[in-house]
Amino acid sequence: AQSVTQLGSHVSVSEGALVLLRCNYSSSVPPYLFWYVQYPNQGLQLLLKYTSAATLVKGINGFEAEFKKSETSFHLTKPSAHMSDAAEYFCAVSEGGGSYIPTFGRGTSLIVHP
Amino acid sequence: DAGVIQSPRHEVTEMGQEVTLRCKPISGHNSLFWYRQTMMRGLELLIYFNNNVPIDDSGMPEDRFSAKMPNASFSTLKIQPSEPRDSAVYFCASNLGGGTYNEQFFGPGTRLTVL
Repeated sequence: AQSVTQLGSHVSVSEGALVLLRCNYSSSVPPYLFWYVQYPNQGLQLLLKYTSAATLVKGINGFEAEFKKSETSFHLTKPSAHMSDAAEYFCAVSEGGGSYIPTFGRGTSLIVHP
Repeated sequence: DAGVIQSPRHEVTEMGQEVTLRCKPISGHNSLFWYRQTMMRGLELLIYFNNNVPIDDSGMPEDRFSAKMPNASFSTLKIQPSEPRDSAVYFCASNLGGGTYNEQFFGPGTRLTVL
């Protein structure tokens, strides 16, 4: 069975600082991994996805994530936070070869201080 | 493409009333999903359809909830009778289906308040 754990329901950073949002997954088969972002009063939209190609995945808005199988992690990073990055971020896992329904984490709220 | 369209965007109703939420998926997408989002429970999958057929409705909380997809371009989620604990944001999402790497495209959501 697949599951996702996002460490920290809230992360607070200063504008210009490094953003690090943590995601650990559990999967019985090689997973497909996703990061979604939700801005206030909007639906989720895809930031990036890992599909067993390169382990370092680049997404929109300067975000990237690295798949580390040994650590079962898929942490999301951005070198320099902008005020516009303030949003809710969701990690999701989908198992290959079986159900393609993703399991979402509880989300991490990113707060950016000026 | 206009993306996934949901209506209404906001709904306020009284306990006991019937509520119908509507969704138009992206043209060409084969799978459609209904989610509910609350602070307490996060994002919950209620039901999903593949080629208009309900595949898994195990997330539907109880018999008061029902969903239909009469054709490839339209789906409804109905709550009858509604209760205050149904207050949440309901999202519809669609994707190409059939592949684990196919991301979902979400609509803007319907914020439901049951008084």
